[in-house]
Amino acid sequence: KAGVTQTPRYLIKTRGQQVTLSCSPISGHRSVSWYQQTPGQGLQFLFEYFSETQRNKGNFPGRFSGRQFSNSRSEMNVSTLELGDSALYLCASTTGRNGELFFGEGSRLTVL
Amino acid sequence: DAKTTQPPSMDCAEGRAANLPCNHSTISGNEYVYWYRQIHSQGPQYIIHGLKNNETNEMASLIITEDRKSSTLILPHATLRDTAVYYCIVRGYNRDDKIIFGKGTRLHILP
Repeated sequence: KAGVTQTPRYLIKTRGQQVTLSCSPISGHRSVSWYQQTPGQGLQFLFEYFSETQRNKGNFPGRFSGRQFSNSRSEMNVSTLELGDSALYLCASTTGRNGELFFGEGSRLTVL
Repeated sequence: DAKTTQPPSMDCAEGRAANLPCNHSTISGNEYVYWYRQIHSQGPQYIIHGLKNNETNEMASLIITEDRKSSTLILPHATLRDTAVYYCIVRGYNRDDKIIFGKGTRLHILP
């Protein structure tokens, strides 16, 4: 079956703009989590959604937000982009039974 | 803060067993140990997980100490394709905790 799909794979924005990233989980997976990966900070947890409800949130400013739809697809939004938001944004889905995370290939955001 | 500590890097000769340690001294009774690896520019890939018993699958073996405060991931016959960053995380079955990845161990397989 198809894996986790993230779109777009690459994008370039300028400071002050906003961006929306999309994640389609594996069919049947109800939990989606998001991560930011940068060379300096490593892989950092952003938030997790389960059945359209945010279950957990990492230590990121309110400019970072997300949501999950009834079909389990998820989006994350970053408003008022800063240079430091340049990163690889990863999405992972899980069935919720044993916590095994299936990751997508990520969306690489560059902020100029 | 990450609940696990791992050495930042390790080397292993091709064909030998790679043993990657992880300390999780504050692990609680309902938390599992998970291992993932990330090959450059790809999303992390699940390897194995366990609660308290040793586990083995087609990719690796996981050895968890009796007190559960540390574990070792074993790649029995390392190949160049095993060069990656390996992450050890702990997570409860109820998944109410944040999913926290540490910096991982960068494993270099030497030809």
